[in-house]
Amino acid sequence: EPEVTQTPSHQVTQMGQEVILRCVPISNHLYFYWYRQILGQKVEFLVSFYNNEISEKSEIFDDQFSVERPDGSNFTLKIRSTKLEDSAMYFCASSEVWFSGANVLTFGAGSRLTVL
Amino acid sequence: KNEVEQSPQNLTAQEGEFITINCSYSVGISALHWLQQHPGGGIVSLFMLSSGKKKHGRLIATINIQEKHSSLHITASHPRDSAVYICAVPPQGAQKLVFGQGTRLTINP
Repeated sequence: EPEVTQTPSHQVTQMGQEVILRCVPISNHLYFYWYRQILGQKVEFLVSFYNNEISEKSEIFDDQFSVERPDGSNFTLKIRSTKLEDSAMYFCASSEVWFSGANVLTFGAGSRLTVL
Repeated sequence: KNEVEQSPQNLTAQEGEFITINCSYSVGISALHWLQQHPGGGIVSLFMLSSGKKKHGRLIATINIQEKHSSLHITASHPRDSAVYICAVPPQGAQKLVFGQGTRLTINP
């Protein structure tokens, strides 16, 4: 069964450093998303992306964050100047068609980010 | 007010018991999602439903759109069902899922 692949599975970084989390969505999917889950809290939406543009973003997704599709297979989330409160599990998801709520998202296994 | 509320937050049961997890939501939606989060953290979609009932193996999901309520049932529960079960909804017009806080289910042998 096709999978969404995320790397790294766990990254430890020092506060103030830049981090790039990588995702390889399912090959025929065109719509991509990042969610995050701070330990013990709900999963929260960060951003959706289509056709090399951000389609929707939450208030969490401020200027510290950026997303990019640098080539035909990868989808990245960059966090500039990490803060302690950025420590969380970050989930990439993809969908074949525009997510209107009536179709399923496929999630990756997550990348755990620990900021020290 | 939270858009999605789940109950209970934690549930411990013995193997073989019938399990019910409830979800209430406050926004208009096109469909409701049930997902499973394993101890390692990965999220798997279980169901997406907009009316009535869906069944997959020992899992059954129901929804009442008028009452803005859904339930997830597990029949003949097994220790491997131990996980966090999450209800999530897509608010109308939004391109995202809003998640509940999850129900941590533990099935003891």
